[in-house]
Amino acid sequence: QVQLQESGPGLVKPSQTLSLTCSVSGGSINSNDYYWTWIRQPPGKGLEWIGYIYYNGRTYYNPSLKNRITISLDTPKNQFSLRLNSVAAADTAVYYCAGDLVAAGKYCIDYWGQGTLVSVSS
Amino acid sequence: DIQMTQSPSSLSVSVGDRVTITCRASQAIGTYLNWYQQKPGKAPKPLIYAASSLSSGVPSRFSGSGSGTDFTLTISSLQPEDFATYYCQQSYSTRTFGQGTKVEVK
Repeated sequence: QVQLQESGPGLVKPSQTLSLTCSVSGGSINSNDYYWTWIRQPPGKGLEWIGYIYYNGRTYYNPSLKNRITISLDTPKNQFSLRLNSVAAADTAVYYCAGDLVAAGKYCIDYWGQGTLVSVSS
Repeated sequence: DIQMTQSPSSLSVSVGDRVTITCRASQAIGTYLNWYQQKPGKAPKPLIYAASSLSSGVPSRFSGSGSGTDFTLTISSLQPEDFATYYCQQSYSTRTFGQGTKVEVK
């Protein structure tokens, strides 16, 4: 059973960079079964897919955020990370890391972290 | 980008009711359509994948159907634990979520 846990600052100042890390247990970041994914949810609103990274380092980003985001792997630590530049109040959200299972014909986000609230405020 | 449109945005129902939520894709996506359930303060939980396959541990009162651009999530007899928000999501090309349908107590 894959488990994911987000970590990072809960408060970021406007124009600065939001950085989050997702620690994966019960599965390997090197697995070709998953897209390692970031999703966010502003308070009281719906889910927004941010992007994902594959085991080989290939990334796919939401076009609306593409110029500001970087998702990367840390294979020795079995972690992956999100960096979002030039944040504003609209980036305040619960950020989830997740495992999007792309094996066995599923293509479904089977595993989710508990989520971490990041607020953008001075 | 593929846009996903859910309807209705909210639904007031009673325990035992049959509930139907629809999701429309802006272009054909085959059966690359998933459904999730989210309760307040919790991460979403997968319900249905590939349009009609039940995720592990999901009760059989949940079912999904559709292909191409039009999809449906049905709860045959709503139980108290089913009051939640439901999201569709396409996995045909990167990923996009619908805006959600909140199922509330009538």
